[in-house]
Amino acid sequence: DIQLTQSPSTLSASVGDRVSITCRASQSISNWLAWYQQTPGKAPKLLIYKASTLQSGVPSRFSGSGSGTEFTLTISSLQPDDFATYYCQKYNSYSSLIFGGGTKVEIK
Amino acid sequence: EVQLVESRGGLVQPGGSLRLSCEASGFTFSVYAMTWVRQAPGRGLEWVSTITGSGGLIYYADSVRGRFTISRDNSKNTLYLDMNSLRAEDTAIYYCAKDGKAVAGFESWGQGSLVTVSS
Repeated sequence: DIQLTQSPSTLSASVGDRVSITCRASQSISNWLAWYQQTPGKAPKLLIYKASTLQSGVPSRFSGSGSGTEFTLTISSLQPDDFATYYCQKYNSYSSLIFGGGTKVEIK
Repeated sequence: EVQLVESRGGLVQPGGSLRLSCEASGFTFSVYAMTWVRQAPGRGLEWVSTITGSGGLIYYADSVRGRFTISRDNSKNTLYLDMNSLRAEDTAIYYCAKDGKAVAGFESWGQGSLVTVSS
């Protein structure tokens, strides 16, 4: 089974910082990767799909890149609403839509 | 506007059963695959089960296969999760989520239902 490993697990940053989160797949998943943001007490929100396509309504400071086994979510200038936990998810087959372990972005 | 409204969860004893439902509106329900995702307290997201739009294909995580059953009633625009032989480790918030089709991801989520398995 394909596994997804996110790093770091926690990231401390300040408003205005550029931050990047990595997601590594144990086997190639082409570009079948999605990114979600979750704030405490809320359902996750889809940010990016197919590795680099911004979901409608998501601010352009969010971007995704990568293919195969290594993927990156970048926030170009961190805003107060962006302090949250971020998850990657492989979306290449309904038989296993697993998530990475999550990355918590906290205030430095 | 897409809406996914989940039933209230509850407290269940170990070994017990519970049915969750997720009522959908704002889209053609029968066209979209639907999924259950759960999140144990303080933990990450865990994919539980997916059912295609027609109900013809169903998939489960190893952790729930044989104990949980996903189903849907397209005439009622409702998704279900029947949970049997519940264990303490099944304690979690359970979310239903809508497949995006062209959007390869869960573009809409329910509000979540808390299921607590405890004696």
